Amino acid sequence: DAMVIQNPRYQVTQFGKPVTLSCSQTLNHNVMYWYQQKSSQAPKLLFHYYDKDFNNEADTPDNFQSRRPNTSFCFLDIRSPGLGDAAMYLCATSRADGYSNQPQHFGDGTRLSIL
Amino acid sequence: DAKTTQPPSMDCAEGRAANLPCNHSTISGNEYVYWYRQIHSQGPQYIIHGLKNNETNEMASLIITEDRKSSTLILPHATLRDTAVYYCIVRAPRSGNTGKLIFGQGTTLQVKP
Repeated sequence: DAMVIQNPRYQVTQFGKPVTLSCSQTLNHNVMYWYQQKSSQAPKLLFHYYDKDFNNEADTPDNFQSRRPNTSFCFLDIRSPGLGDAAMYLCATSRADGYSNQPQHFGDGTRLSIL
Repeated sequence: DAKTTQPPSMDCAEGRAANLPCNHSTISGNEYVYWYRQIHSQGPQYIIHGLKNNETNEMASLIITEDRKSSTLILPHATLRDTAVYYCIVRAPRSGNTGKLIFGQGTTLQVKP
């Protein structure tokens, strides 16, 4: 009964070769987030979608992009992965309304390795 | 959102209560306290949140001091599966809130047999 599903759990790509990570949800939440978590560090938000509106964090590199074709799915695209992009990538969802304190629900992440 | 301070690590004996403290001395009136945990190689898991009243659910209890400058997460009967990094996060709901979470370094709780 997984609610936020990330595929694949492990992804290996070559230096500079574009890679796409996927996230799907069965919660019908209107907000979807992507976090990056490097080894021994806390998760850090890259960007999020509020419905169809994309919101980028100021310090997210241009190399990272995202797509949300519908409510259920969200993709993280890394155009030219560098060695420093090796990390766990976490997808999360939440329901946001006019005055929301709803918690976020996370998937189990995709661990990305760069060769 | 207010900053939080947590001890980097704690130990707890299996079956005993685990009390994880969090300091948030700059919290403002509309900010909620959230607790998440992250078991190794998994995504963060929501545990509980509260504003000013103590809260309890099937996983844990949250005790917030009257001045709201600190809180304690209580796992009443810790098991080995509760070994994880516990994050205390303070966040304000906003109109059209999209509620990003700013994670600190958290407390690594080691439950020992």
